Amino acid sequence: DAKTTQPPSMDCAEGRAANLPCNHSTISGNEYVYWYRQIHSQGPQYIIHGLKNNETNEMASLIITEDRKSSTLILPHATLRDTAVYYCIVRVSISGSRLTFGEGTQLTVNP
Amino acid sequence: ETGVTQTPRHLVMGMTNKKSLKCEQHLGHNAMYWYKQSAKKPLELMFVYNFKEQTENNSVPSRFSPECPNSSHLFLHLHTLQPEDSALYLCASSVRDGSYNEQFFGPGTRLTVL
Repeated sequence: DAKTTQPPSMDCAEGRAANLPCNHSTISGNEYVYWYRQIHSQGPQYIIHGLKNNETNEMASLIITEDRKSSTLILPHATLRDTAVYYCIVRVSISGSRLTFGEGTQLTVNP
Repeated sequence: ETGVTQTPRHLVMGMTNKKSLKCEQHLGHNAMYWYKQSAKKPLELMFVYNFKEQTENNSVPSRFSPECPNSSHLFLHLHTLQPEDSALYLCASSVRDGSYNEQFFGPGTRLTVL
């Protein structure tokens, strides 16, 4: 599975959009981009995933560049409850493929 | 609520004790996972079960013994643990192993080994 690079920490003002970047320059054509988040001392929570096209759901939007070497997770109106560690993971969709969690980005939403 | 429950939520045990962690999923999934998260470290995959069969053991010491009696239940039996085994133990499930579907995580069991 391709390796990802994320900034260790980011801050965002409450009510503003939070844009979390992820670099995955060695991603293969059959690898999906997943985003999870983990609020302190809780289990990780799935947010969104995509392959090529931009995706949006009730939690967030995922923007994948045309060359697929990077992506951005967008939380359109961040709240204090969005403070968490956000993980960007790439993996293929086949048996034996693993979710490999890295260090992630600690997002702190400030009042 | 993710549909994955874990008990107990907190556990303190001595190095000579035997205890078990329980995970139950109410999602109709066929794959279940144990992860370990030590302080200030990324999540580490420990075991994978797919349709009740263990398909991965990620070089986990034998003092951790998993059991999957059916697709809805997963146990982690603990014996003669070490203080460095203190961590948050997370259970997860998915439709099947390796699918593009997301994994649903339980709240975890915070284990302290004295």
